[in-house]
Amino acid sequence: DAGVIQSPRHEVTEMGQEVTLRCKPISGHDYLFWYRQTMMRGLELLIYFNNNVPIDDSGMPEDRFSAKMPNASFSTLKIQPSEPRDSAVYFCASTTGLPFSGNTIYFGEGSWLTVV
Amino acid sequence: AQKITQTQPGMFVQEKEAVTLDCTYDTSDQSYGLFWYKQPSSGEMIFLIYQGSYDEQNATEGRYSLNFQKARKSANLVISASQLGDSAMYFCAMRAIGPGGGNKLTFGTGTQLKVEL
Repeated sequence: DAGVIQSPRHEVTEMGQEVTLRCKPISGHDYLFWYRQTMMRGLELLIYFNNNVPIDDSGMPEDRFSAKMPNASFSTLKIQPSEPRDSAVYFCASTTGLPFSGNTIYFGEGSWLTVV
Repeated sequence: AQKITQTQPGMFVQEKEAVTLDCTYDTSDQSYGLFWYKQPSSGEMIFLIYQGSYDEQNATEGRYSLNFQKARKSANLVISASQLGDSAMYFCAMRAIGPGGGNKLTFGTGTQLKVEL
């Protein structure tokens, strides 16, 4: 299996530009998560989907952030307009099964975003 | 709400020695899972080991074992026979049913482990 695939791996953009991060979960997984990692705040859950439906978006910092999952094999996280404080590593992760089933949550390699 | 606490920002261990990374958690859920992930300097998150709240035996995966003490709400990671390649950030995480149902994974702040010769 190819694992969780994220793109781009690295992105440098200017403040005010739109940024789109992409994720392909592991085939057959019905849960998809977007996390953000910064030195100051550690790993934060932004949003997660179950069967393509957003379940909890309480971690999305503000209206500039939006996430979609149009089908089971693709999700996007969009920031518009981007700001320097959005600079972080954004991880996508996927899993299947019930919470206490022990099914591992697999992470992509992350998208390293720098907003200048 | 779930909370994970890792009180050791950094740890040093000699190669071939064992090391314990501490993790305590707080949850009101009866069913939950505890995970450890390794994040090397390259940045990826690597799953190491899992312990379910109803598992009676401590989980083991190769050189990794999880010292689960449910009454104390602790889930410490033990790495035996440390290797230089074990140098990384280690995150403890908990997965429980959150508001609206589902699989939120809450992370601790991590412990940076350095293995020395």
